[in-house]
Amino acid sequence: EAEVAQSPRYKITEKSQAVAFWCDPISGHATLYWYRQILGQGPELLVQFQDESVVDDSQLPKDRFSAERLKGVDSTLKIQPAELGDSAMYLCASSYSGNTIYFGEGSWLTVV
Amino acid sequence: GQNIDQPTEMTATEGAIVQINCTYQTSGFNGLFWYQQHAGEAPTFLSYNVLDGLEEKGRFSSFLSRSKGYSYLLLKELQMKDSASYLCAVIGAGNNRKLIWGLGTSLAVNP
Repeated sequence: EAEVAQSPRYKITEKSQAVAFWCDPISGHATLYWYRQILGQGPELLVQFQDESVVDDSQLPKDRFSAERLKGVDSTLKIQPAELGDSAMYLCASSYSGNTIYFGEGSWLTVV
Repeated sequence: GQNIDQPTEMTATEGAIVQINCTYQTSGFNGLFWYQQHAGEAPTFLSYNVLDGLEEKGRFSSFLSRSKGYSYLLLKELQMKDSASYLCAVIGAGNNRKLIWGLGTSLAVNP
């Protein structure tokens, strides 16, 4: 069964350092999402791509976060500089038609 | 504003039936998802409802009433492995099909 691939699974970084997460969606899925999830809360959308275009980045802290999906396939989410409050799980998800959204395993970030 | 309400926690006994409710107020509606999330793991898809009525998938069923802004997830023959958080999410209006997430219901299944 096709899966959304994410890496790294776990990342520990010092505050003020840069960190990047990578996501490869299910083949053929035009829509790609990056979510942030803090323990005990629902996922918070950071950015949504349709192919290579950003369709929603209203909740992305653009002073330190950036996301790209240059060829409309895989995507990278970057944080620079990382802050303590960025510690969370970063989830990538993809969808073909919007009727089913599949999540990757997530990337756990701990900022120390 | 847009809002999704779910109970924070529920407890049930192995072998029993449990119903997790979700009410929503959103600007537009294009479908409702239920996801299961075990601690430390990503959400996994359970169901998608866009029309009123009951959708059954094995031990899990999901119901939707659009006029009432209401859905429930029904879990039958509960197993210990069903202990998890259950997230309700609604697709709002607009071409980008933005998902609005509830905070999740933490279900504990006891022996």
